[in-house]
Amino acid sequence: NAGVTQTPKFRVLKTGQSMTLLCAQDMNHEYMYWYRQDPGMGLRLIHYSVGEGTTAKGEVPDGYNVSRLKKQNFLLGLESAAPSQTSVYFCASSYSHIRRTGYTFGSGTRLTVV
Amino acid sequence: KQEVTQIPAALSVPEGENLVLNCSFTDSAIYNLQWFRQDPGKGLTSLLLIQSSQREQTSGRLNASLDKSSGRSTLYIAASQPGDSATYLCAVNSGGSNYKLTFGKGTLLTVNP
Repeated sequence: NAGVTQTPKFRVLKTGQSMTLLCAQDMNHEYMYWYRQDPGMGLRLIHYSVGEGTTAKGEVPDGYNVSRLKKQNFLLGLESAAPSQTSVYFCASSYSHIRRTGYTFGSGTRLTVV
Repeated sequence: KQEVTQIPAALSVPEGENLVLNCSFTDSAIYNLQWFRQDPGKGLTSLLLIQSSQREQTSGRLNASLDKSSGRSTLYIAASQPGDSATYLCAVNSGGSNYKLTFGKGTLLTVNP
């Protein structure tokens, strides 16, 4: 029972480099989310998706792009990494709002931009 | 805009003590509220989910209550153990088709042997 799997778990980037974080869930959840967690700021929503082929902006979307080509996968891209994007990134998924279920989170990706 | 506050920010107790963690939110029109546990360097583990129509939920030594009208929830931990040491996060779902969670900044709990 894998739940929500994030890859990679750790990554160091140089300023200006690009990368993609992968999130995969095997629970057939409709909704998926990307959060970042920073000391003193808590968890903040970056982007989310309410279904395959759909994406929407969250609270802090600048500098990130996302795609959801398959229901089970949600990709977070950094086109030109900046030191301000050093953070821990969490992916989460849930059933649609109709079921009113809780979220399931992945174990996180720790990203450092130097 | 929904805002979630957790008090205290940190709490240190001796093993065996019963304790209460507090969470307050500004908009009472919520779908549900979820309590999570986060160990250092790890992900979030769901502890309890309370629907807006419920007053409390229990799991083992944990009991979460919800008073939607006053915008408050509490997490009660009975007979605390050193293994309970972690950060506890409260998250509110204000519903709608977006179904987004708004998080508090957490309470760091330390249970001393």
